[in-house]
Amino acid sequence: NAGVMQNPRHLVRRRGQEARLRCSPMKGHSHVYWYRQLPEEGLKFMVYLQKENIIDESGMPKERFSAEFPKEGPSILRIQQVVRGDSAAYFCASFERREENIQYFGAGTRLSVL
Amino acid sequence: QKEVEQNSGPLSVPEGAIASLNCTYSDRGSQSFFWYRQYSGKSPELIMFIYSNGDKEDGRFTAQLNKASQYVSLLIRDSQPSDSATYLCAVGANRDDKIIFGKGTRLHILP
Repeated sequence: NAGVMQNPRHLVRRRGQEARLRCSPMKGHSHVYWYRQLPEEGLKFMVYLQKENIIDESGMPKERFSAEFPKEGPSILRIQQVVRGDSAAYFCASFERREENIQYFGAGTRLSVL
Repeated sequence: QKEVEQNSGPLSVPEGAIASLNCTYSDRGSQSFFWYRQYSGKSPELIMFIYSNGDKEDGRFTAQLNKASQYVSLLIRDSQPSDSATYLCAVGANRDDKIIFGKGTRLHILP
């Protein structure tokens, strides 16, 4: 997973605040997935993005969550008005070619909501 | 709803033995299959991917795919304590579709 950079690694927010998670894909990769993982749970798909496009956001809650992947800069997962249930590890994964879908993961952001 | 099922474990295997991890999936049209290893508190790490029926070997790891039975497995030969981790099976409907992860199997290699 070297090369996929996520920051911050740990993020603490109080209820009602905004959380902003960043992901820079591996060099040459233009596809990004975001996943959420709760303790002892599997990875849950949230959103699939290409540069400047949201391809599939079917796994993302309709309210408070949004994601973008601008032409320049990292992909951003934004959670507004966080609640305790948002506490989880959020991973992004990038890949190069859509027809292969071989995903490489970043180290993740651990979000804690107080 | 597409599902990927794994035994949660823990699966305990003596050091040096073969560890066998299994995964079944519900979508008969699935085309891509992945195994990831995840150490506690860390991110998933890709170990193997397989697209065709049969076996695929990479070092101590062998992925086995049987599409007729909707079954994919991972064999780890000469198990080492460093292999102790959670192993995630992931399945994609098409090569360009999102992949669905199982909840993982915890593997414990006994020294």
